[in-house]
Amino acid sequence: QSVLTQPPSVSAAPGQKVTISCSGSSSNIENNYVSWYQHLPGTAPKLLIYDDNSRPSGIPDRFSGSKSGTSATLGITGLQTGDEADYYCGTWDSSLSAGVFGGGTKLTVL
Amino acid sequence: QLQLQESGPGLGKPSETLSLTCTVSGGSVGSSSYYWGWIRQSPGKGLEWIGSVHYSGSTFYNPSLKSRVAISVDTSKNQISLRLSSVTAADTAVYFCARQQGLTNCDHWGQGTQVTVSS
Repeated sequence: QSVLTQPPSVSAAPGQKVTISCSGSSSNIENNYVSWYQHLPGTAPKLLIYDDNSRPSGIPDRFSGSKSGTSATLGITGLQTGDEADYYCGTWDSSLSAGVFGGGTKLTVL
Repeated sequence: QLQLQESGPGLGKPSETLSLTCTVSGGSVGSSSYYWGWIRQSPGKGLEWIGSVHYSGSTFYNPSLKSRVAISVDTSKNQISLRLSSVTAADTAVYFCARQQGLTNCDHWGQGTQVTVSS
């Protein structure tokens, strides 16, 4: 049981937009920065969003992050088949004094 | 270009201690700006944060693993180490090391190393 809750799967057609939610609490999401990662099996996870809504260099602006209260959201526009992957949110939990990840969301581009 | 490479035995027996090393190139584990972390992914499951270390010696551990885990930094070798004691089959996973900006942003990752615990 993950501290952060994500939907197990989402799907959308190429070119469309999808959002992935990440729900937590006041001890994690609400008071700490959220990161988002893209993970293809057999590869290293890739940082997509840091500090709630910032993109590292090289990450296209099709990827966006937002946060409100105890929830965070990853948005992906102009979906491509290459976006099919598992997506994870992550943050710090001040009560646990530990890093926490969501359970992951599998994105399928139909 | 920063690169991280995990290494260690791919197979271990129950009750043994697992030891993994992460060798960093293109950057210094002695930088005060970063923590260095270990994360794992068990078969069919999501990412699980194991713990993080700063070159100063400051460490944070996953509460569920805290009694069995130790993470250290060796600035002379530019390496991060993970020791996990009393392993069971539940510790079978791909283990990743990562550089962390603050304690939330893992901006560089190693490719991961598979560890299987089996008798």
